[in-house]
Amino acid sequence: EPEVTQTPSHQVTQMGQEVILRCVPISNHLYFYWYRQILGQKVEFLVSFYNNEISEKSEIFDDQFSVERPDGSNFTLKIRSTKLEDSAMYFCASSKGQGSTEAFFGQGTRLTVV
Amino acid sequence: SQQGEEDPQALSIQEGENATMNCSYKTSINNLQWYRQNSGRGLVHLILIRSNEREKHSGRLRVTLDTSKKSSSLLITASRAADTASYFCATARSSNTGKLIFGQGTTLQVKP
Repeated sequence: EPEVTQTPSHQVTQMGQEVILRCVPISNHLYFYWYRQILGQKVEFLVSFYNNEISEKSEIFDDQFSVERPDGSNFTLKIRSTKLEDSAMYFCASSKGQGSTEAFFGQGTRLTVV
Repeated sequence: SQQGEEDPQALSIQEGENATMNCSYKTSINNLQWYRQNSGRGLVHLILIRSNEREKHSGRLRVTLDTSKKSSSLLITASRAADTASYFCATARSSNTGKLIFGQGTTLQVKP
């Protein structure tokens, strides 16, 4: 069964460093998303991406965040200068359509900023 | 802002019993989805119910939606130890957005 895959599963980084989280969405999906879940808290929407551009973003998704689909299969989230409070589980998701279709999530990347 | 809230926050039952989790939200929605998350793992999509639907079944899962009360329930029948996980509801406000708003979740423990 097709699935969303994310790498790495765990990333430890020094505060101020740049990190890139990678995702391979399901191949025939057109919409891609990043969410994050701080330990013990809700899953929060960060950004949605369609047709090679951001279609929606939350207040959390500030200038230190960026997304890219560098080729036909990968979807990346870059955090330019990490802060301690960026420590969280980051989930990539994809869907065939927008709001009326299921979103399928990857296993997540646990980002720890030290 | 739109928000999904589940109750109870935690539920502990014996294997074989039924588990019911509730979700409330604040604004109109296009659909509501339920997800399961095993400890420290990814989110697994369980079921999607559209705003014009009232009930949906999938295997041992039964979901209801009451748009007048802005609430949904997830019933897991004949629970198994493997059902132990956190369960989240997530709402999509319209068909023009893929953005999901998640609730806090219900942690379900099924004792063998």
